[in-house]
Amino acid sequence: DAKTTQPTSMDCAEGRAANLPCNHSTISGNEYVYWYRQIHSQGPQYIIHGLKNNETNEMASLIITEDRKSSTLILPHATLRDTAVYYCIVPTDKLIFGTGTRLQVFP
Amino acid sequence: DAGVIQSPRHEVTEMGQEVTLRCKPISGHNSLFWYRQTMMRGLELLIYFNNNVPIDDSGMPEDRFSAKMPNASFSTLKIQPSEPRDSAVYFCASSFSPSRDTQYFGPGTRLTVL
Repeated sequence: DAKTTQPTSMDCAEGRAANLPCNHSTISGNEYVYWYRQIHSQGPQYIIHGLKNNETNEMASLIITEDRKSSTLILPHATLRDTAVYYCIVPTDKLIFGTGTRLQVFP
Repeated sequence: DAGVIQSPRHEVTEMGQEVTLRCKPISGHNSLFWYRQTMMRGLELLIYFNNNVPIDDSGMPEDRFSAKMPNASFSTLKIQPSEPRDSAVYFCASSFSPSRDTQYFGPGTRLTVL
């Protein structure tokens, strides 16, 4: 799997946008970028994925740079319930979860 | 759909005992995954099945661990004999296929081996 690099932790004020970066400089042309999150004591939850175009769904937006070497997950209006560990993954035949970014949303 | 169902949710056992964890995947999903999560090692893939056949068991820690999928709607992960270092949260997930598809995770089984 292409290696991904994420910051260990981030803070965000409730109601503000949370922008979570991910570097995947070794990604190849047909590999997707997936984002999952894990809220404390729960199983990981799929958020969004993309190949080269920006993507948006009801949970988040995914911005992928033109060279595809990095991406940003955007939670447009973070809430306290968005406090979780966020994983950026570039899978091949399986998902490999790294250490992720621990996002803390504060009031 | 009820999602991925795991049982039991919590298991406390003594060292040396056999432990069986159970998983019911989402109906229609062809792939099933078993993960283990600890503070030290994070979330690790143990084994995954595609169409009930084990495809990759390279993450299974040792011979004490075994997994089966006798049909499309049921899988077990067995530890025999259990050891304190097996204490972890075990997650089951399912998807339509092994790669590039969204995986749906169950709530996990928290195993404590005394």
